[in-house]
Formats: sequence, structure tokens, C-alpha cells
Amino acid sequence: DAKTTQPNSMESNEEEPVHLPCNHSTISGTDYIHWYRQLPSQGPEYVIHGLTSNVNNRMASLAIAEDRKSSTLILHRATLRDAAVYYCILRALYGGATNKLIFGTGTLLAVQP
Amino acid sequence: DAGVIQSPRHEVTEMGQEVTLRCKPISGHNSLFWYRQTMMRGLELLIYFNNNVPIDDSGMPEDRFSAKMPNASFSTLKIQPSEPRDSAVYFCASRMTRGETQYFGPGTRLLVL
Repeated sequence: DAKTTQPNSMESNEEEPVHLPCNHSTISGTDYIHWYRQLPSQGPEYVIHGLTSNVNNRMASLAIAEDRKSSTLILHRATLRDAAVYYCILRALYGGATNKLIFGTGTLLAVQP
Repeated sequence: DAGVIQSPRHEVTEMGQEVTLRCKPISGHNSLFWYRQTMMRGLELLIYFNNNVPIDDSGMPEDRFSAKMPNASFSTLKIQPSEPRDSAVYFCASRMTRGETQYFGPGTRLLVL
């Protein structure tokens, strides 16, 4: 399985943008890039996903490098409720692993008031 | 929809006892996943079902663990006999077969004494 590398932790101030990086240098051409987050004492929740183009939704934006070896999750205005562990995950489009999400250690985001 | 429902939310048992965790997926979702989360190993996929059929159980730690999905609206994860090292939070997730998003339940926090 292709691996992802994320910083262990990051800090942000409330109301400021946050850029969470993820490296996935061994990504294959058919791997989707998924982001999930896990708030304290809750199950993970979906944030966003993409393949090649940048993506926006109501929660966040996903910027994907042209060579797809890295991506950045962007929270435009961090709130205290965004404090969570953010996981960057590759999901295979084809093959036996298509249903699997392999969670790494993620980035623990702290948001300061 | 009520989301993925898991029961019990908390379970404390003694070593050697049988433990049964239950999950009700979101109606209409064809894929169901069982995960385990510990501080040491993070979030691990144990097994997943597609249309009630187990597809990949390679993450099940040993024969003491078994999972069933008798119908589209119910799944169980059983540990018999339980051991202290099984203490963890167990999450169930479901997904539409052609969907990208996994929806996680609130988890069952298991403590084996």
C-alpha cells in the first residue's frame, strides 16, 4: 500500500487559515487522496477527497500537487471545533484494496483562541 | 438518518469472558467495516463486508475474533475469550458500494480487566 507522511502536530490560531501537508511520493496514478479527521472521543469523519484536481467543499479545500506526490488540506478559518487529528489516506481505485482505508498516525491540530 | 449505531458504547469485562459488539449500518449502505483503535497501533481495519459477505479479514488479530453480518442492517464482532490486550475502541463504519465516504459510528470502548 502506498504510504503517506504527515507532521505529528501543528498549531493554529482561531480564525486563521491552516495548511495541513501530506506527502505521498509512492502514490499510483489511480489512488484517490482522502482526508478524514477525528475529533476527541469521536469516530473519524470524512473531510474531502480528490484525484488530480483541487477540490473544495463546505468543510475544506484540497490542493493536490501537479505530480500528485503531495497534497495540502486547507481549513480557511480555523475554529476551536476544528481541533482534531487529521488523517491523509490513499485509497486504491482498482485491485483488492479498493475498499480499504489505511490510517496512519495523522496530524494533531491544536487551535488556540 | 441516525447514522451508524453501535452498542454498547462502553463495555467492561473480565479476562476470559465473551464480548459481543454490535453495529447497525446506515440504511442502504452495502459495505461495512470494523476497526480497532489503540494508542500503540492507531486505527486498524479488522474486517470488511460487502453485501453481507466478508471480503477481507486479514486484519483480524487471531481466532479469538470473529465477525458476522447476518443481514444488511446488522453486524457483530465477537471476542471469545477476551484478553486485556483487546482493550481498545472498536469502530464500525459503513459506505455505499460505489460511494467514496465511510461513515463511522461513535465506537465501543472496551476494557478487559
